[in-house]
Amino acid sequence: DQQVKQNSPSLSVQEGRISILNCDYTNSMFDYFLWYKKYPAEGPTFLISISSIKDKNEDGRFTVFLNKSAKHLSLHIVPSQPGDSAVYFCAAIQGAQKLVFGQGTRLTINP
Amino acid sequence: EPEVTQTPSHQVTQMGQEVILRCVPISNHLYFYWYRQILGQKVEFLVSFYNNEISEKSEIFDDQFSVERPDGSNFTLKIRSTKLEDSAMYFCASTERTRNEKLFFGSGTQLSVL
Repeated sequence: DQQVKQNSPSLSVQEGRISILNCDYTNSMFDYFLWYKKYPAEGPTFLISISSIKDKNEDGRFTVFLNKSAKHLSLHIVPSQPGDSAVYFCAAIQGAQKLVFGQGTRLTINP
Repeated sequence: EPEVTQTPSHQVTQMGQEVILRCVPISNHLYFYWYRQILGQKVEFLVSFYNNEISEKSEIFDDQFSVERPDGSNFTLKIRSTKLEDSAMYFCASTERTRNEKLFFGSGTQLSVL
């Protein structure tokens, strides 16, 4: 079951540059998408979300873009900071059902 | 900031033993969940719980698993007879509303079945 896929297991970005994390999904019934961030030994924490009726949502340094026709979403972090180093999970929900997570992308911000 | 609390942080058990993982959700939240993450794999939904009953469960959540909210504050996951493949990080989560977009997760319990 690969309804939500993050094809890049890791990403390394220079501090101050833009980090772009990608996510693809297969279920066209998903109507809400989220990004979670996870540090070692901690649970995932909610970062940002987007409804399927929108194509962009911005919160400070974080912007999520949704391309419904391509079934693709991305998270942009700009400028990237060392504290952004973590594992980022894309997730999707349909109606009031459970979250379906991607495999995660480990982001490393290099000073 | 209120948080979801899970105990213990680590649990080691022998195959076939029963384990109970404990969680204290955020106090005004009404919807509760268990997720797990096997090492190197994705976070997987196990079960959701509302109004003292299971509202949804995954294929993973078979008869060996059960959940309970015994006293209005704790939310527990019991695995009756653990298997090696139950080794994982188990996350409890809670939300205020039915639409669980902003799940608040606990720090997890690392379960190791030997």
